[in-house]
Amino acid sequence: QLQLEESGSGLVRPSQTLSLTCTVSGDSMTSGPYSWTWIRQPPGKGLEWIGYIYRSGTTSYNPSLESRLSISIDTSKNQFSLKLTSVTAADTAVYYCGRHNSYYYALDVWGQGTTVAVSS
Amino acid sequence: DIQMTQSPSSLSASIGDRVTITCRASQSISSYLNWYQHIPGRAPKLLIYAASSLQSGVPSRFRGSGSGTDFTLTISSLHPEDFATYYCQQTHSTPSTFGQGTKVEIK
Repeated sequence: QLQLEESGSGLVRPSQTLSLTCTVSGDSMTSGPYSWTWIRQPPGKGLEWIGYIYRSGTTSYNPSLESRLSISIDTSKNQFSLKLTSVTAADTAVYYCGRHNSYYYALDVWGQGTTVAVSS
Repeated sequence: DIQMTQSPSSLSASIGDRVTITCRASQSISSYLNWYQHIPGRAPKLLIYAASSLQSGVPSRFRGSGSGTDFTLTISSLHPEDFATYYCQQTHSTPSTFGQGTKVEIK
């Protein structure tokens, strides 16, 4: 059974870079019609789509974050990663990774999420 | 960006009740509409994709309908494990966007 698990720094200083990794287990990231996605949920707010990456390395980002965002993939480690630069308190959120199924046009597997706080 | 508006934002219901949640898109999204269930501390779970297709393993009491701009998630008979927050999501256009959520609470 496919599982996704987020990891990374739980506390980031303002203006620094937020770095998270999603580790995929139970199947290879190179199989199937999938893209690998990041989503976040600020406290008390709704879900925000951050962006995704295909196994080829092709990416698509939310325009609201694009200037600060980088998503990368390492298929040899079955991982994909997010880097968000110049963070502010508005980037405080629970960050989720997920698998987007291109047949369904839906996120069919999610991680449990990891909390990131931006604070000095 | 396409705005997704869910209603109600919360509701109270009893075991066995029929529950209906609506989601409206700010422009037509055809059937590119998904529904998720989220229980705090757990991974969100896909219930319905493409507006009306039931994800494998999801109980048949969950039903999705609609197309264009108006969509509905119906739970035919509420079970104890259904108390959660439900989100709709459009994947018609980038960036994908979510509704603000509907919290289903025990009456």
